[in-house]
Amino acid sequence: GAVVSQHPSRVICKSGTSVKIECRSLDFQATTMFWYRQFPKKSLMLMATSNEGSKATYEQGVEKDKFLINHASLTLSTLTVTSAHPEDSSFYICSARYWTSGSSGELFFGEGSRLTVL
Amino acid sequence: AQSVTQLDSQVPVFEEAPVELRCNYSSSVSVYLFWYVQYPNQGLQLLLKYLSGSTLVKGINGFEAEFNKSQTSFHLRKPSVHISDTAEYFCAVGNQAGTALIFGKGTTLSVSS
Repeated sequence: GAVVSQHPSRVICKSGTSVKIECRSLDFQATTMFWYRQFPKKSLMLMATSNEGSKATYEQGVEKDKFLINHASLTLSTLTVTSAHPEDSSFYICSARYWTSGSSGELFFGEGSRLTVL
Repeated sequence: AQSVTQLDSQVPVFEEAPVELRCNYSSSVSVYLFWYVQYPNQGLQLLLKYLSGSTLVKGINGFEAEFNKSQTSFHLRKPSVHISDTAEYFCAVGNQAGTALIFGKGTTLSVSS
């Protein structure tokens, strides 16, 4: 099956610094990736849709200047949390759409990245 | 707009007992429905999905779900649970395969001996 990998799996940073999280499709090309945020004991909230070669589409209420998304290649999307604050601490999960002939374009999820801002 | 409601936030059961995790959805268009499992500090693993065809869908780890269009439900069932099934379960809906999914709030399944 298709594999989506995130890096780092855990990151701790100081308040005010920026953190980059990578999402890679390891064995397929993904023109579209999705970034979710998960709060403790809460569901996954869609943050944005990342499209290769174009600007990301952000969901209502998500600060695009705060959460920078770049999808520079068909296998890599990055999420940069700029000037991070403790309230940005969360579990961030990406997913990528995997298309093959006759398939339904299934979504595969990364392992998640836990960000802790001190 | 689409939405998903998972009716139970927590479901405690004993090992080898049957379990049903309930999910209702709302959508104005044809839907695709999914169940995912999440273990602590891990990503999501697909249990099963309904795209079309048979309304009874079988997934991994002995789970199955039934799509009921009239009741707008997609309940997840397992006839006999194991301790290892303890996890968070999410129901999700999409309006066509491969679009961003909308997730329910999750149901914590706790299996004890």
